[in-house]
Amino acid sequence: DSGVTQTPKHLITATGQRVTLRCSPRSGDLSVYWYQQSLDQGLQFLIQYYNGEERAKGNILERFSAQQFPDLHSELNLSSLELGDSALYFCASSDPDRSSYGYTFGSGTRLTVV
Amino acid sequence: GESVGLHLPTLSVQEGDNSIINCAYSNSASDYFIWYKQESGKGPQFIIDIRSNMDKRQGQRVTVLLNKTVKHLSLQIAATQPGDSAVYFCAELYYNQGGKLIFGQGTELSVKP
Repeated sequence: DSGVTQTPKHLITATGQRVTLRCSPRSGDLSVYWYQQSLDQGLQFLIQYYNGEERAKGNILERFSAQQFPDLHSELNLSSLELGDSALYFCASSDPDRSSYGYTFGSGTRLTVV
Repeated sequence: GESVGLHLPTLSVQEGDNSIINCAYSNSASDYFIWYKQESGKGPQFIIDIRSNMDKRQGQRVTVLLNKTVKHLSLQIAATQPGDSAVYFCAELYYNQGGKLIFGQGTELSVKP
């Protein structure tokens, strides 16, 4: 167990629907990062939050949004889903004050859009 | 733009041999380079990192080499074991961009017993 918890582990939904993925960071970590992993794109950075505020944005579609709550858990909202949104979605957390800058990743949510 | 890429998509080695996984990067404005291991069905797991002002760092059975002149990074695994079979990613950390991590495409390492 990495300490980063993601729910649900699997999600199957239809095109046009909206889903919410949830992430609880490792205790003490203030930063949360979301990544999308598909077969042909590798790990793509979507967005980062630090202590409730958006810190950096990557290749995140306008149909996607995220937020980080006061208890530091984060949610990634995916709407108007398309078949191409099927992927693994990973959350990672980190604390810049740690000596190592390696992120700690959760085990991911596998989203299948049918 | 930002890109970190891997030379070889797959690598097959014999158990006990040493493995070398290579990575090329294009943007020299990073602070750290990090190697991750991803086993099937799991999230990426931190292996080792190296600061951009270093050229070598050693861990347990792993060594990372950084050649900034040719923008090349490598991960060496000594005495490769079946448990090392996984996909390995190099990643480039931009500390001044909030710690954004950009990943390479990945190399699948297969260890034959």
